[in-house]
Amino acid sequence: ETGVTQSPTHLIKTRGQQVTLRCSSQSGHNTVSWYQQALGQGPQFIFQYYREEENGRGNFPPRFSGLQFPNYSSELNVNALELDDSALYLCASSWGEDNEQFFGPGTRLTVL
Amino acid sequence: GESVGLHLPTLSVQEGDNSIINCAYSNSASDYFIWYKQESGKGPQFIIDIRSNMDKRQGQRVTVLLNKTVKHLSLQIAATQPGDSAVYFCAEPNYTGGGNKLTFGTGTQLKVEL
Repeated sequence: ETGVTQSPTHLIKTRGQQVTLRCSSQSGHNTVSWYQQALGQGPQFIFQYYREEENGRGNFPPRFSGLQFPNYSSELNVNALELDDSALYLCASSWGEDNEQFFGPGTRLTVL
Repeated sequence: GESVGLHLPTLSVQEGDNSIINCAYSNSASDYFIWYKQESGKGPQFIIDIRSNMDKRQGQRVTVLLNKTVKHLSLQIAATQPGDSAVYFCAEPNYTGGGNKLTFGTGTQLKVEL
């Protein structure tokens, strides 16, 4: 059974740029959730995708957007990057929207 | 607003001792809690969960206690080992508006001294 994978591992961008982060869900899982974890903080929910539709969103501006593909993998896109977007971005997958979430190792984004 | 939070940011224990990590919550209607362990460079990993109809739940070397009267839960790790060094979070699922949104506390860094 393959776990949740994320790419890239690390990424450096400058303010104003756009970034795309990728997540492959665990085999058999159809739901993907994205979280932002600032240094020294707990993860904060960004949004969840279930069967290719956004299924709940946290307190993040519209410049944070996402996609889920037919194979249940997912992308997180962030436009107009700000310095405060520097964080670890975690993807979690689950079978169904209400079940246990399994986290990937995250993508470390640094915005300069 | 409602929140899930922790009392202490760092806990240092000697190898072999028991560790206790605390968590407070503010929503009296909360009925389900999860403890996660996050090792350096990794995502959070499920440890144990508890529902509000229980006061205590035990796993392998871990016990979670829930005190609904004072809205407090704790994670106890028996015979702490170096591999237990990590950040521990309590989290609460939120199903409002569809989906399962986990709300995490700030976390407690557990350091195991040899």
